Amino acid sequence: EAGVAQSPRYKIIEKRQSVAFWCNPISGHATLYWYQQILGQGPKLLIQFQNNGVVDDSQLPKDRFSAERLKGVDSTLKIQPAKLEDSAVYLCASSKTGTDVDNEQFFGPGTRLTVL
Amino acid sequence: EDQVTQSPEALRLQEGESSSLNCSYTVSGLRGLFWYRQDPGKGPEFLFTLYSAGEEKEKERLKATLTKKESFLHITAPKPEDSATYLCAARPGSSASKIIFGSGTRLSIRP
Repeated sequence: EAGVAQSPRYKIIEKRQSVAFWCNPISGHATLYWYQQILGQGPKLLIQFQNNGVVDDSQLPKDRFSAERLKGVDSTLKIQPAKLEDSAVYLCASSKTGTDVDNEQFFGPGTRLTVL
Repeated sequence: EDQVTQSPEALRLQEGESSSLNCSYTVSGLRGLFWYRQDPGKGPEFLFTLYSAGEEKEKERLKATLTKKESFLHITAPKPEDSATYLCAARPGSSASKIIFGSGTRLSIRP
């Protein structure tokens, strides 16, 4: 079974530039998550999708971050414009469901973003 | 506020030296306590889910336990390949699926 795919693996941009990350979840997984992991910290949930609807985006900085999951499969996360403090690893995860059962989250390798 | 705290931040052990990692949580109505392993440059890898106090789960040299306030990850006779960051996460009762991660414990096993 193929795992969660993410691209690019690394990205270096100047502050105020825009960047986009792509995620393809495990086939058949209804729930997709985007996390931000700053060096030395645990992952922090940015947004959660159930199929193509948003379940939780309470910690997403909506003035600069946006995400979509068209057709309920792959997803993109965009930052526009980027700030220095956005330097982090952006992790995508998926799970079969968003409920208590079959909710083990499988993570992709992440995209390491450096904002200069 | 729901919170997960892990200790120690870093732990260095000799190969074969057993120890435990701690995860303290303050969440309302815990609906699951999770342990993940994260290797450098990779995403977290799922290890265990615990649901109720007194529950234990084992996998090779790892055993996870749960009380009403804490979870422990016991590592018995570790090997260098067990070196990684171990993350603990909790799902509050108010959430259908959102989980809150701790900052992790960086475990290093010397040969």
